Amino acid sequence: AQSVTQLGSHVSVSEGALVLLRCNYSSSVPPYLFWYVQYPNQGLQLLLKYTSAATLVKGINGFEAEFKKSETSFHLTKPSAHMSDAAEYFCAVTHKNAGNMLTFGGGTRLMVKP
Amino acid sequence: DAGITQSPRHKVTETGTPVTLRCHQTENHRYMYWYRQDPGHGLRLIHYSYGVKDTDKGEVSDGYSVSRSKTEDFLLTLESATSSQTSVYFCAIRDYTTDTQYFGPGTRLTVL
Repeated sequence: AQSVTQLGSHVSVSEGALVLLRCNYSSSVPPYLFWYVQYPNQGLQLLLKYTSAATLVKGINGFEAEFKKSETSFHLTKPSAHMSDAAEYFCAVTHKNAGNMLTFGGGTRLMVKP
Repeated sequence: DAGITQSPRHKVTETGTPVTLRCHQTENHRYMYWYRQDPGHGLRLIHYSYGVKDTDKGEVSDGYSVSRSKTEDFLLTLESATSSQTSVYFCAIRDYTTDTQYFGPGTRLTVL
């Protein structure tokens, strides 16, 4: 069985501040990990993914995430928040033989203050 | 955007009525998925398909059925809608070459 926990359902940062969204996973086999972003009234858009290559993964819009096996974490970061980053972010896990069946975390809503 | 469309985009219906949601893709992907999104739960898998007439249940399949008679269309049916099925429904496809799921725009369903 696999699961994902996103700490903090709401995160608020000031424009220009560091963004840190936390994701911890549970998986009995090597995981594939994903971050998706959802803007209001839209579908989910892939930000980045980890599939057992480099542990530091760079995605779109200046986001990156680091896979840390010892901590079972895949936290999402961005050095400097922009107003346009305000959205809901979802972490998801699967593994190679799972038919790509994703298990999602509950989501974190990011608010960016001017 | 992986060529995924969903119809209708919004629907309001009454308890006990049947409802069918349609997902259409244009890129011939073998795997398709239906999820529901509810606050605090992220997305949860309802059913998925791994080919024409090949489907299987996901985490929250009770009260839902699916059909896939051709590669491009994956239908989700609520035989008798209940208020607990009020949700936003997303369809997704799996790009086999990148092992990544891509999502449609969603259908907002309200059951009164």
